[in-house]
Amino acid sequence: DTGVSQDPRHKITKRGQNVTFRCDPISEHNRLYWYRQTLGQGPEFLTYFQNEAQLEKSRLLSDRFSAERPKGSFSTLEIQRTEQGDSAMYLCAIRQGGNYGYTFGSGTRLTVV
Amino acid sequence: TQLLEQSPQFLSIQEGENLTVYCNSSSVFSSLQWYRQEPGEGPVLLVTVVTGGEVKKLKRLTFQFGDARKDSSLHITAAQTGDTGLYLCAGAASGGSNYKLTFGKGTLLTVNP
Repeated sequence: DTGVSQDPRHKITKRGQNVTFRCDPISEHNRLYWYRQTLGQGPEFLTYFQNEAQLEKSRLLSDRFSAERPKGSFSTLEIQRTEQGDSAMYLCAIRQGGNYGYTFGSGTRLTVV
Repeated sequence: TQLLEQSPQFLSIQEGENLTVYCNSSSVFSSLQWYRQEPGEGPVLLVTVVTGGEVKKLKRLTFQFGDARKDSSLHITAAQTGDTGLYLCAGAASGGSNYKLTFGKGTLLTVNP
């Protein structure tokens, strides 16, 4: 149990379909992050929430991507009109403040065929 | 853009050997973290270093933060097969308030029995 639950763990979708991922921190944390990791690379920052406010978005997050955190607890990441280049591990993380690092979820592995 | 370069990219050693992994940047970081990631899982935080020149020990793992806070190293003594995994370094930018992390590409360590 990592403290962050992500659902689903794996998703296979056809190109052009929409997909939605969910991230549930076990306890309340005001800062929540989404990262994307492709094979052979480290995680890359996508977006960041402080409570329900989305404060920063990476240029990696095209118009097809949207993220929400409606009540400042769980978060969703939606990808519309998926492309093969969207295939990656999508990671959600929380930060406990101070000099503590992130606690990551187990990720959602997306495969676009 | 802040970049973190990790070396070596791949490392295969025998159980009982010692090893060092490096993480270098031209940028100054307010803190640097090391994570270990297993296949199909999210990264797990090992340590956070904050002060230039800081050395932290975690059992057989020794972490060092460079004096100028631009680089770090991870030394493993008497490696065990359970140390196998992807080791990622990640830095938080100086002066940033969002604590967004920049990750290196990682060092894939294989410890053979």
